[in-house]
Amino acid sequence: ILNVEQSPQSLHVQEGDSTNFTCSFPSSNFYALHWYRWETAKSPEALFVMTLNGDEKKKGRISATLNTKEGYSYLYIKGSQPEDSATYLCAPGNDYKLSFGAGTTVTVRA
Amino acid sequence: GAVVSQHPSRVICKSGTSVKIECRSLDFQATTMFWYRQFPKQSLMLMATSNEGSKATYEQGVEKDKFLINHASLTLSTLTVTSAHPEDSSFYICSARTGLRTDTQYFGPGTRLTVL
Repeated sequence: ILNVEQSPQSLHVQEGDSTNFTCSFPSSNFYALHWYRWETAKSPEALFVMTLNGDEKKKGRISATLNTKEGYSYLYIKGSQPEDSATYLCAPGNDYKLSFGAGTTVTVRA
Repeated sequence: GAVVSQHPSRVICKSGTSVKIECRSLDFQATTMFWYRQFPKQSLMLMATSNEGSKATYEQGVEKDKFLINHASLTLSTLTVTSAHPEDSSFYICSARTGLRTDTQYFGPGTRLTVL
């Protein structure tokens, strides 16, 4: 199991503003990085799976980048909306399993 | 698509009893299913990995005799917490994956277990 750090632990964003946060992980034996969005009382929703250094993925207003050499990924939310309020989890994979960070909880204020 | 259900969503039981949690992939065949546990304000911790028709692989520190995992079909895995005690109270969540290790893991909504 990898030591995964997500920062900040939580953040508050005004509706319409953009934000980003970080996932750091050991880069050895890495094979993929997963991002999930987890809303209260729901199942974690898969956002992205990234495997290659320099990968960039986009889904609507949410995008992510990956640096496997230095072991970090950024997730960006552009023009935050109240429905973006959730906990965002990153999970790098090594061997056959994922190690989860504690998440960044985003609260979007209307 | 890619929906995973988990039942029950919440269970309260007395100390010493056993509790079974079901995880089902509703619209795909899951060759591999994972069971995680989450303590308050902590990350999801992998407990075990199960492949259909095989014995589960448990993570270090997880008691296989306490947490019995069965993956009898490509759409169903069960976790049984045997002789539950208050320290087993936690949030348990499963995920399912089709084939490759780079494939997405699809999660169920989780089960809140409270042992009195």
